[in-house]
Amino acid sequence: GQSLEQPSEVTAVEGAIVQINCTYQTSGFYGLSWYQQHDGGAPTFLSYNALDGLEETGRFSSFLSRSDSYGYLLLQELQMKDSASYFCASTSSARQLTFGSGTQLTVLP
Amino acid sequence: SQTIHQWPATLVQPVGSPLSLECTVEGTSNPNLYWYRQAAGRGLQLLFYSVGIGQISSEVPQNLSASRPQDRQFILSSKKLLLSDSGFYLCAWSVPLGGDYEQYFGPGTRLTVT
Repeated sequence: GQSLEQPSEVTAVEGAIVQINCTYQTSGFYGLSWYQQHDGGAPTFLSYNALDGLEETGRFSSFLSRSDSYGYLLLQELQMKDSASYFCASTSSARQLTFGSGTQLTVLP
Repeated sequence: SQTIHQWPATLVQPVGSPLSLECTVEGTSNPNLYWYRQAAGRGLQLLFYSVGIGQISSEVPQNLSASRPQDRQFILSSKKLLLSDSGFYLCAWSVPLGGDYEQYFGPGTRLTVT
């Protein structure tokens, strides 16, 4: 089967750094994606890791450790507009995305 | 550029009524297409995906069905809605041949079954 675990809520202040962790159990694992979803909106793709290590895209970075079945999304220089839900999602040999239940990030002024 | 359309944006339907949600993609050919459902405060549950016209894979047994009558059109249907069908329905597409990890979502349809 496929399952992903991530914290339900994270709170941080503007300008800070926050890390959202994700552990997964995925048969035929290919890689880990991250999506952002604002309230009432559609998810948007942020990043993808197929190999171990860190991928950086502007203020956002994503990390994967295949041996630990673990990844995280790192958000730096937090802004109010970063308040949203963040989902990790695994891809597998079944060629589908399986989503975690999401982490609600609240950025405080 | 590619765009994805979904309609309607919101829908209130009585239990036992039929359902038809439509999704169309512009600006790409032979996309992989997906239907997801999201309950309030939860993750996305994959319902159906399609790699081509008439090719539908179902992930969750339920009273919903999907069809892909044209390359860039994906339809979600039900003959008789249940209360448990309420939720946020999202259509998505990805590039063919391996791009499943990066999906592009439509604006969604918020369905309330009363």
